[in-house]
Amino acid sequence: KNEVEQSPQNLTAQEGEFITINCSYSVGISALHWLQQHPGGGIVSLFMLSSGKKKHGRLIATINIQEKHSSLHITASHPRDSAVYICELIIQGAQKLVFGQGTRLTINP
Amino acid sequence: EAQVTQNPRYLITVTGKKLTVTCSQNMNHEYMSWYRQDPGLGLRQIYYSMNVEVTDKGDVPEGYKVSRKEKRNFPLILESPSPNQTSLYFCASWTGTDGYTFGSGTRLTVV
Repeated sequence: KNEVEQSPQNLTAQEGEFITINCSYSVGISALHWLQQHPGGGIVSLFMLSSGKKKHGRLIATINIQEKHSSLHITASHPRDSAVYICELIIQGAQKLVFGQGTRLTINP
Repeated sequence: EAQVTQNPRYLITVTGKKLTVTCSQNMNHEYMSWYRQDPGLGLRQIYYSMNVEVTDKGDVPEGYKVSRKEKRNFPLILESPSPNQTSLYFCASWTGTDGYTFGSGTRLTVV
């Protein structure tokens, strides 16, 4: 069983829709990190969470440590949000990292 | 501008010819890390460093070496590259609290 599972693997939506990407995990973590990888390949760090919720512009990330689950939400989605979103776990007690397989998001105009 | 600089961006080399991919950060971050990204396998951590002279293995360290002689630099060394090391490589640095800063990536092809 994978330590981390992202869903969905692929998501296509229309501009303006509310987007949710999920990350479930089975190990103890000290933090969870959401990354965005653009079609050109560059990776941007979006959020690092150890509890609760963070918001930056139209992006919101939440984490429930007890349920071992995190969500990334995008409000009023836009074609420029099209990217692969990756969930990364920082394993508790170590600096070992585990990555989800990514969610490929396509927002159509 | 705060950044992580990787060089080269693209590299084609032959099996067995030693190479180094450089990574430098200007943010005084203590933590630095190398990843490789392969289709169907996603991102995987190769090595990381918590501080100068402190390095440790990630998930896929075989065939790689690193060094951290100074805080800003964390080079990735392939002593004898093989075709299975053809990949997209990323370096990143981190404060330990906020998010990481990633380099632009190095696309390596070993023929």
